[in-house]
Amino acid sequence: GAVVSQHPSRVICKSGTSVKIECRSLDFQATTMFWYRQFPKKSLMLMATSNEGSKATYEQGVEKDKFLINHASLTLSTLTVTSAHPEDSSFYICSARKLPRRGGDTEAFFGQGTRLTVV
Amino acid sequence: GQQVMQIPQYQHVQEGEDFTTYCNSSTTLSNIQWYKQRPGGHPVFLIQLVKSGEVKKQKRLTFQFGEAKKNSSLHITATQTTDVGTYFCAGPGGAQKLVFGQGTRLTINP
Repeated sequence: GAVVSQHPSRVICKSGTSVKIECRSLDFQATTMFWYRQFPKKSLMLMATSNEGSKATYEQGVEKDKFLINHASLTLSTLTVTSAHPEDSSFYICSARKLPRRGGDTEAFFGQGTRLTVV
Repeated sequence: GQQVMQIPQYQHVQEGEDFTTYCNSSTTLSNIQWYKQRPGGHPVFLIQLVKSGEVKKQKRLTFQFGEAKKNSSLHITATQTTDVGTYFCAGPGGAQKLVFGQGTRLTINP
């Protein structure tokens, strides 16, 4: 099956610094990728849709300047948490879907996730 | 906007007991997907249901899609410790998005 790779899996950073998380689709091209945030024992909260070659689409309440998304190629999207603070500590997961051959929907492939701890 | 409600939030069972999680949507869905997330892991796709009243089985897992395509269920027969995790349903949210239910966290007493 298709694979989405996310890096790093864990990161600890100091308050005020920025952290970049990478999401790669390894064996298919993804014009669209999705970034989620997941709090402990909670559901997946969609943060933004990353669009290759254009601006990301952010969900309501998500700060664009705080969570910078870049989708420079068909296989790579990055999420940068800028000026991180302890409240940004969370599990961030990306996902991508192959385009359906004949319409309909396809499954989402998720990266392994990045556990961010801001100290 | 579209909402997908999932219950129960938690379920603890003895190994060998059955388990069911239910999903309800505020709108009719073109399809519904189910995912499993193991503790510390990432969601993994289990199945997609498309047709009204559809029932699909994967070994001990039975997935159903309601006649009105607004609800769905996942039933696990005779749970095993490997079934531990959180099960999510997800419906289409437009523009390739998925709208996830809150998830049901299954824990099992061996």
